[in-house]
Amino acid sequence: KAGVTQTPRYLIKTRGQQVTLSCSPISGHRSVSWYQQTPGQGLQFLFEYFSETQRNKGNFPGRFSGRQFSNSRSEMNVSTLELGDSALYLCASSLAGTSAYEQYFGPGTRLTVT
Amino acid sequence: GNSVTQMEGPVTLSEEAFLTINCTYTATGYPSLFWYVQYPGEGLQLLLKATKADDKGSNKGFEATYRKETTSFHLEKGSVQVSDSAVYFCALIPLTNTGNQFYFGTGTSLTVIP
Repeated sequence: KAGVTQTPRYLIKTRGQQVTLSCSPISGHRSVSWYQQTPGQGLQFLFEYFSETQRNKGNFPGRFSGRQFSNSRSEMNVSTLELGDSALYLCASSLAGTSAYEQYFGPGTRLTVT
Repeated sequence: GNSVTQMEGPVTLSEEAFLTINCTYTATGYPSLFWYVQYPGEGLQLLLKATKADDKGSNKGFEATYRKETTSFHLEKGSVQVSDSAVYFCALIPLTNTGNQFYFGTGTSLTVIP
């Protein structure tokens, strides 16, 4: 069974631009969560989607948004990029929407903002 | 609130040494507890988990016991190998959480030297 895939793996953008990252969950998984990983802040929860609905949201500004499609694939968008948005963005999928189910992480998208 | 505190790294050990990485948590109710491992350039992989007090999670020689009285979930391994070199994250999901929002510790980098 294929794992969680994220595209692109690496991305370089300029301040002020916007970016879209994609996550394809494991087949059959309906929950997709997004995390930002930085050396200073560690792993921080961005948001979670379940059956195309945002169920939880972390403490990030409105520049960070996401969506989930009917096939459970998810995208996250960051508008008006800032230098501090440089990070590894990880997505995780799980079979259903409760903590009883194991989450599987993708390899991440490394975003560099210059 | 919910939070995870784990021991600061980096940790450097010789092969076959005993490993302990401390993790304590604060949570509402009784959370599920996890250890994840991240190898260079990769996403997070679930190492082990425990969902209720006194449960012991184990995998690949690693163990951790859910201690409600001390709110701890310390990771141990009796004999580390070079291949165990990675960053280890302690995490929780609160029982009251309606979804899959993990709270992660800051991570502990482990280097095992031959």
